[in-house]
Amino acid sequence: SSELTQDPAVSVALGQTVRITCQGDSLRSYYASWYQQKPGQAPVLVIYGKNNRPSGIPDRFSGSSSGNTASLTITGAQAEDEADYYCNSRDSSGNHLEVVFGGGTKLTVL
Amino acid sequence: QLQLQESGPGLVKPSETLSLTCTVSGGSISSSSYYWGWIRQPPGKGLEWIGSIYYSGSTYYNPSLKSRVTISVDTSKNQFSLKLSSVTAADTAVYYCARLNIVVVVAASLLWFDPWGQGTLVTVSS
Repeated sequence: SSELTQDPAVSVALGQTVRITCQGDSLRSYYASWYQQKPGQAPVLVIYGKNNRPSGIPDRFSGSSSGNTASLTITGAQAEDEADYYCNSRDSSGNHLEVVFGGGTKLTVL
Repeated sequence: QLQLQESGPGLVKPSETLSLTCTVSGGSISSSSYYWGWIRQPPGKGLEWIGSIYYSGSTYYNPSLKSRVTISVDTSKNQFSLKLSSVTAADTAVYYCARLNIVVVVAASLLWFDPWGQGTLVTVSS
């Protein structure tokens, strides 16, 4: 199985822009999706595919991808964006469906 | 609006089998457009995919758990279930069920889980 690597923690000043990255070989073949998880809550999808936002997700969230790295960018971070963020994609190492998650990034809004 | 709800015992003894059910409401589990999945999260740790199932019964498991996991679907009840055998304290986690979307395109493919159930904490302890 392949892995997705995320920085454990990132901080951003209120109103500034922050990029959270996810690296892995599977991202050369598959797009990543991103989830936001606040304490005690279930994860919520914020970005899927190249740069698709589900209904209700603010447009300050955007996604991008290059080579083996996917990025989630928050433009103008708000206090409510403080949360854990996880990427995931399909595992490219086998023929059968396998799903892999990154280890998560804790975002602190200062 | 599609909703998922996990149910099952919150406490399981070591070496026994953990059993959970996910009830889907607001939509049909038999839709050919979607898969369904189980994900878990040990306290203070990250997310781990356990496995997924298609309404036809085709299953896909995390290789690290495959020997202990069984996922099944009951389309008549709009439910799918998880069984994890020979549990240890390391299986203590919040268990989530979720709908899995998979899109296959020429240039690249993608998948995503949405929506998720609220999660249920399962503790393995004697």
